[in-house]
Amino acid sequence: GAVVSQHPSRVICKSGTSVKIECRSLDFQATTMFWYRQFPKKSLMLMATSNEGSKATYEQGVEKDKFLINHASLTLSTLTVTSAHPEDSSFYICSARAISGAPYEQYFGPGTRLTVT
Amino acid sequence: AQKVTQAQTEISVVEKEDVTLDCVYETRDTTYYLFWYKQPPSGELVFLIRRNSFDEQNEISGRYSWNFQKSTSSFNFTITASQVVDSAVYFCALSRMGNAGNMLTFGGGTRLMVKP
Repeated sequence: GAVVSQHPSRVICKSGTSVKIECRSLDFQATTMFWYRQFPKKSLMLMATSNEGSKATYEQGVEKDKFLINHASLTLSTLTVTSAHPEDSSFYICSARAISGAPYEQYFGPGTRLTVT
Repeated sequence: AQKVTQAQTEISVVEKEDVTLDCVYETRDTTYYLFWYKQPPSGELVFLIRRNSFDEQNEISGRYSWNFQKSTSSFNFTITASQVVDSAVYFCALSRMGNAGNMLTFGGGTRLMVKP
């Protein structure tokens, strides 16, 4: 149980286009989903916290207009990178916290590798 | 503010050697959780352990053991008799207790290379 999927696993897009990444909890309902970004050989940095039915809370320095987060249902959150540029190339990882689970339990997706050319 | 420091960015050992990955944390909270995750080359994070700040007992799971010392704000991870499959990046992380602020603060990671 407690599986989180991400789609796509890899995406290459051209500069200036937008890319949508999906994060789904497959066998549980998630009140909260977190989006992290990881540069090559670097640590994971929290970008935003997404609660179902409400606006995401962005971390300092993260442009909310560039990284649009939508958490429309208890099993799906999406991250849209708008007008992508090469510097947005990164590994994006989501995690989900179950409604019925302990607050500390987060289940991570496998990640999405974004390359902007 | 919370901070996690993994001073060792890369460690290289030969198979069967023991290796300890250091983790030092900073928090103003009196209660918190500490975690270790493994990230193999595939990129997916693998949960290894969670420890709450109330429990300073050391833990052993097979070849893995963890040493939590609140007095020095450290949560070190030891792999005994390392194997090539242990090669990965290991992250130490910290989160608050309670329903608010469950986001994880990660350390910079330690890349472990185990050579045959």
